[in-house]
Amino acid sequence: AQSVTQPDIHITVSEGASLELRCNYSYGATPYLFWYVQSPGQGLQLLLKYFSGDTLVQGIKGFEAEFKRSQSSFNLRKPSVHWSDAAEYFCAVVAGGGSQGNLIFGKGTKLSVKP
Amino acid sequence: DGGITQSPKYLFRKEGQNVTLSCEQNLNHDAMYWYRQDPGQGLRLIYYSQIVNDFQKGDIAEGYSVSREKKESFPLTVTSAQKNPTAFYLCASSRFTGYVYGYTFGSGTRLTVV
Repeated sequence: AQSVTQPDIHITVSEGASLELRCNYSYGATPYLFWYVQSPGQGLQLLLKYFSGDTLVQGIKGFEAEFKRSQSSFNLRKPSVHWSDAAEYFCAVVAGGGSQGNLIFGKGTKLSVKP
Repeated sequence: DGGITQSPKYLFRKEGQNVTLSCEQNLNHDAMYWYRQDPGQGLRLIYYSQIVNDFQKGDIAEGYSVSREKKESFPLTVTSAQKNPTAFYLCASSRFTGYVYGYTFGSGTRLTVV
């Protein structure tokens, strides 16, 4: 069964510093991958997605992610973090095999930003 | 603007009560989903529906029920059989083949047992 692992439960970075949030998936074929962000008490907002093609994808709010098949990873990056980026971030993969196509979410990484 | 509306934002349930969480979308999406979110657990799928009058159990359906009588609406009932219902509940929708476009989420309902 497909799964998504976000190894870091909580990360703290200083404002202006670069950010990388890790995501590893287990799936044999090329997966459909997503990153979502959730502000406290709110729903999830789609940051970016990867299906095929260019392995570096750009998203909203200055985020990007790189798909690395050899490492089964889809890490999220931002060159310079803003205080407003403090939130929880979820990586997700589509349950493939042409079944239901439901999203499987990682357990999330909470980002704190120091002034 | 199109979107998903969940209501109420906060809900309190007494022991032994059934409660219903509302989810309405005006995006003309075919598929709708209910997730439960607990701290440190990510999102777990409760039920989903790909078309009207049809729905499927997700990973943690026990103690929950749903209906899909209209395309726009997918209410979730938390029954008294759900022993630990305190959680944040999220509704989402997508185009029928739209999982590749991601889901649109509502802003959630926080349910607390009192």
